[in-house]
Order: sequence, then structure tokens, then C-alpha cells
Amino acid sequence: AQSVTQLGSHVSVSEGALVLLRCNYSSSVPPYLFWYVQYPNQGLQLLLKYTTGATLVKGINGFEAEFKKSETSFHLTKPSAHMSDAAEYFCAVRRSGGSNYKLTFGKGTLLTVNP
Amino acid sequence: DVKVTQSSRYLVKRTGEKVFLECVQDMDHENMFWYRQDPGLGLRLIYFSYDVKMKEKGDIPEGYSVSREKKERFSLILESASTNQTSMYLCASSLLFNQPQHFGDGTRLSIL
Repeated sequence: AQSVTQLGSHVSVSEGALVLLRCNYSSSVPPYLFWYVQYPNQGLQLLLKYTTGATLVKGINGFEAEFKKSETSFHLTKPSAHMSDAAEYFCAVRRSGGSNYKLTFGKGTLLTVNP
Repeated sequence: DVKVTQSSRYLVKRTGEKVFLECVQDMDHENMFWYRQDPGLGLRLIYFSYDVKMKEKGDIPEGYSVSREKKERFSLILESASTNQTSMYLCASSLLFNQPQHFGDGTRLSIL
């Protein structure tokens, strides 16, 4: 079965500092991986995705993530945090078997950005 | 642009009521999903539909049912609402299995 582990339910950074949100996954098939962001009182918005090809994926708002098969990781980074990045972030992996349209989500990481 | 619309942002109902949550997408997507989101638990899949009139149980289907009579509309039904169904409900849709899911803004449901 697929699973997603997001290390740290709450990450706090200063404005201008590096953002690093960790995601490890397990999957019995080649994974499709996604990062979503959720701003307060809104639904989830796609930040970036990895399906095949280049392992370094660039997304919206200056975020990027690198797929590392050997480490089963897909960590999200941004070189310089902005106040507007404060939100909850979810990592997700495609499920295998049966209806492979379904995703397994991590429990989320709340990012706080301090002035 | 992609649009998934949930009929209500906030809803308050009473225990035992039958509750309908509606979701409409305008992208001609085959797949539609209902999730509930609770603090510390992330998103959990309730039901999934891969075509009109086709549905599949997710991880937590108990106490819920769904209806998909038209491609663009996917309804979640709480047959007899209970207080433990107080939650944020999110609808999503996708075209292909390797394409991302697009989410609505959610319905915050309170059962009193």
C-alpha cells in the first residue's frame, strides 16, 4: 500500500530564509507525486507534480521539488520565504492497483513565516 | 481555467438530518472525488466516481453515499447526519490518472 510521511506538522521560518518541507513516500509502482498548498478557508491548489522525466520539478510561486528514488523522497523547497507563503502544504502519491486515479495524502505541514 | 464549485461554503445541520453536498466541475473531467479534512489527519477519501453512475468506495465510506447522474455533478449524501461528521468536505476532479486533481473551496459542515 502507498503511504506518505511528512516530517514536521509545523515548520516556522523567517522571511527571506530557506523553506524546506519534507516528504517521504512508499509505493509499489513508479510513483506520481504531487505537492498541494492550502491557504486558509480555501481548497487545495497544485504547486507542482512529478510523473516522469526530469527529477527536479519547478512549480508555481518559486517552489521546486526533487524526486530522489533512492531516498524515496520528494522534498519541497523555496530559496527565500515570503509572508504570503504561510499556508498548509500537502504531499500526495498516486495509488497503485485497481483505480489508480486515487491519491494518498500526507497529513500536512503548516508553514509559518515570521517577519 | 479549471473550476470546481461546491454549493455551500458553510452549512449547519442537525443530528439525524439527511444532508446533501453538491459539487460541479466545468472541465468535462471523468473522475470526481469527495474527501473530508480533519486537523492532524490530512485528507481522507470518502468516495470516488470514474464515470457517470459509476462509483467506488474510498477509505471512509461509512455513513455516506454518493450520486453521479451527470458527468459534471457529484453529490455527497449523509444519510443520517451525526456529530462525528462535522468536518471540512472537499470535492475534486481530474481528467487522467497522471493529471492533478483540481479542488473546490470546500464546505465546512457542522452537525449539531
